[in-house]
Amino acid sequence: NAGVMQNPRHLVRRRGQEARLRCSPMKGHSHVYWYRQLPEEGLKFMVYLQKENIIDESGMPKERFSAEFPKEGPSILRIQQVVRGDSAAYFCASSPPSRESPLHFGNGTRLTVT
Amino acid sequence: QQQVKQSPQSLIVQKGGISIINCAYENTAFDYFPWYQQFPGKGPALLIAIRPDVSEKKEGRFTISFNKSAKQFSLHIMDSQPGDSATYFCAASTQGGSEKLVFGKGTKLTVNP
Repeated sequence: NAGVMQNPRHLVRRRGQEARLRCSPMKGHSHVYWYRQLPEEGLKFMVYLQKENIIDESGMPKERFSAEFPKEGPSILRIQQVVRGDSAAYFCASSPPSRESPLHFGNGTRLTVT
Repeated sequence: QQQVKQSPQSLIVQKGGISIINCAYENTAFDYFPWYQQFPGKGPALLIAIRPDVSEKKEGRFTISFNKSAKQFSLHIMDSQPGDSATYFCAASTQGGSEKLVFGKGTKLTVNP
């Protein structure tokens, strides 16, 4: 049973370019979460999605960041016009519909903005 | 602002010793407290979790102690092993679920052989 799959594992972008991070949840999981981890910091919640719905995006920066979880295909975290401060590890997690189910994290995408 | 404060930042323990990591929180609405273990280059993995209706939960060598009145909880790793060397994060959330976890900054544990 495959876990949460994130790709790419490493992504290098120049300032001003766009970054697209993909996440395929575990089989049977319909809830997806994105977290960001800065060096020497804990994970910070960004957004919580269900299929075709954004449930909570209170942790998303107001500009340049967007997320989607379409009916078919992976969840996408999109960062437009990246800046150096966007360099971080971005983790996706998934869970089944039960609210008491634990999160299962992927191995992350490490974004470096040069 | 919702916050979870974790200490120490790093911890070195000898093999066979007890590792203790502490967390404190402010928001009394938190009602779910998981601990995650993260190895380099990997995502966090759930280790053990507790809800405020119990004061202690044990799974193998890992124990969570929870003090509701002090708004503190801690992770104890008994008989620490080199394979336990990792970064440990405490977290908290409201409404009893895993949505919108608030994480501590992590403790890097090194267990010397």
